Amino acid sequence: NAGVTQTPKFQVLKTGQSMTLQCAQDMNHNSMYWYRQDPGMGLRLIYYSASEGTTDKGEVPNGYNVSRLNKREFSLRLESAAPSQTSVYFCASSAGYRDTQYFGPGTRLTVL
Amino acid sequence: RKEVEQDPGPFNVPEGATVAFNCTYSNSASQSFFWYRQDCRKEPKLLMSVYSSGNEDGRFTAQLNRASQYISLLIRDSKLSDSATYLCVVSNQAGTALIFGKGTTLSVSS
Repeated sequence: NAGVTQTPKFQVLKTGQSMTLQCAQDMNHNSMYWYRQDPGMGLRLIYYSASEGTTDKGEVPNGYNVSRLNKREFSLRLESAAPSQTSVYFCASSAGYRDTQYFGPGTRLTVL
Repeated sequence: RKEVEQDPGPFNVPEGATVAFNCTYSNSASQSFFWYRQDCRKEPKLLMSVYSSGNEDGRFTAQLNRASQYISLLIRDSKLSDSATYLCVVSNQAGTALIFGKGTTLSVSS
């Protein structure tokens, strides 16, 4: 039982490049989330998926897209990376909206 | 008023001390409350849920005051291993997601 896994752990991109962050959970959770964490800003919700087949915008969705591929997997895509997207990205999952969220280990992204 | 507000600290205490963290939230309709712990450069992990009647887990006690929209976390007999950032978490107005405070940093020294 791995919980929530994320790949890659680290990534360096140049401005304008694209990439997809992968997230998978093996807890049979319905809801999945993508956050970014910046110094002094705390965790900010980018997108979430209440259940398979649905996605909704969070607090800071601009510049990102998501795909809920199936119940286990929720990916985050940066189409044209910008230096402002340098951050630590966390994926999380929970049984339902108001339930405990379990986090993956994070992806540390630097955009030059 | 920000949705979830915490004193950022840092709180610097000696081993064995008792320390209390406070958190206020703006949405009176919030139904879910948690304290998470985050170690440096690691993911947040659930410390404990917070219930209306208050709850205790070993050295940790959480209290909720709905009338004042206030949550607290009390740590007794602090250990070096308690050094971390503690995040106050509340469900949002729509009840569709959780809102994380920016965290309070605790440093316990010997």
